[in-house]
Amino acid sequence: EAGVVQSPRYKIIEKKQPVAFWCNPISGHNTLYWYRQNLGQGPELLIRYENEEAVDDSQLPKDRFSAERLKGVDSTLKIQPAELGDSAVYLCASTADGGAGGYEQYFGPGTRLTVT
Amino acid sequence: SQELEQSPQSLIVQEGKNLTINCTSSKTLYGLYWYKQKYGEGLIFLMMLQKGGEEKSHEKITAKLDEKKQQSSLHITASQPSHAGIYLCGAIQGGSEKLVFGKGTKLTVNP
Repeated sequence: EAGVVQSPRYKIIEKKQPVAFWCNPISGHNTLYWYRQNLGQGPELLIRYENEEAVDDSQLPKDRFSAERLKGVDSTLKIQPAELGDSAVYLCASTADGGAGGYEQYFGPGTRLTVT
Repeated sequence: SQELEQSPQSLIVQEGKNLTINCTSSKTLYGLYWYKQKYGEGLIFLMMLQKGGEEKSHEKITAKLDEKKQQSSLHITASQPSHAGIYLCGAIQGGSEKLVFGKGTKLTVNP
């Protein structure tokens, strides 16, 4: 069974440029998460989807970040415009359950973003 | 909001030694997850604990959730270089189904 797929693995951009990350969750997993992990920190949730619906986006900086999961499968996270402080690893995770309770989240390898 | 404190922040051990990593929560734990992360990679699920007093083992790694459900420990017996990485504990934040993580413990195992 294929795991969570993310692309690109690495991205270097100049500040004020846009950037997009793509995630393909494990087949059949209806819940998808985007996390941001700063250096030396644990992942922090940005947004959680249940199928197509964003059920928790309270931590998503909506002035510059956007996300979508149009068909309830793949998801895209976008930053426009990027700032220096956005440099981090962006992780995607999925689970078969409708929430975090009782089921492990499977993580992708992440996209390492560097904003110069 | 719930906070998880992990100790130690980093640990260097000689191959074959035992070690323990702790995760302390500011609130009651309703579900505690242990993950391992290697540099440049995503998180790998190790174990999940839900009941006070629960203990689970996988190969040489044992995790426990204390009776009062505010602390968990991860114990590695006879460590190997393959155990090296960052160990993260995560907990479900009550009422939100949101998983919050500690900052991680970086483990180095010298051959």
